[in-house]
Amino acid sequence: GENVEQHPSTLSVQEGDSAVIKCTYSDSASNYFPWYKQELGKRPQLIIDIRSNVGEKKDQRIAVTLNKTAKHFSLHITETQPEDSAVYFCAASSSKGGGNKLTFGTGTQLKVEL
Amino acid sequence: DAGVIQSPRHEVTEMGQEVTLRCKPISGHDYLFWYRQTMMRGLELLIYFNNNVPIDDSGMPEDRFSAKMPNASFSTLKIQPSEPRDSAVYFCASSSLAYGYTFGSGTRLTVV
Repeated sequence: GENVEQHPSTLSVQEGDSAVIKCTYSDSASNYFPWYKQELGKRPQLIIDIRSNVGEKKDQRIAVTLNKTAKHFSLHITETQPEDSAVYFCAASSSKGGGNKLTFGTGTQLKVEL
Repeated sequence: DAGVIQSPRHEVTEMGQEVTLRCKPISGHDYLFWYRQTMMRGLELLIYFNNNVPIDDSGMPEDRFSAKMPNASFSTLKIQPSEPRDSAVYFCASSSLAYGYTFGSGTRLTVV
């Protein structure tokens, strides 16, 4: 089955700096890669996703890049703000065979310091 | 749409008791997932359904866990008997192939 590895497990940045979180996946059939943000005590919420037919997607201060050859994808947050502090999860899934099962990374605790 | 609705939000029960968690997916979503989240193991997929049919239950930890989806708008996850190590936050999520998951607010289960 799919295996998703995520690094780093914790990340501390100064407000205004950029943050980068990296993930690798094992199943070459995976074609959908979402990122979730989970604030303390709340549900994971989808913040951005990318499909395998594109290499990069951007939404305001967040962007995701995908390298299918190397089987890795990254989340980039620019101009970080205190409200960006949360746990971020990457995930991967394949629609092969009609499936839609997301495999999650272990999460990155991002702390944006003033 | 009210999103994915889970109940109860919090459950405290004694070891050995039966616990039933409930989920109402988003209307029109044909996939439903049950996840368990702990500090040690992160987000673990327990079981998922497609069009009310269980597709993969390989994540269900033991026979004490069971899940059903009698119709497109309702699913239950049952633990019988419960044990302290079952304490976790249980999330239900729903999706269609075209969209990412939408998670419910979760049920925080504490077994004492």
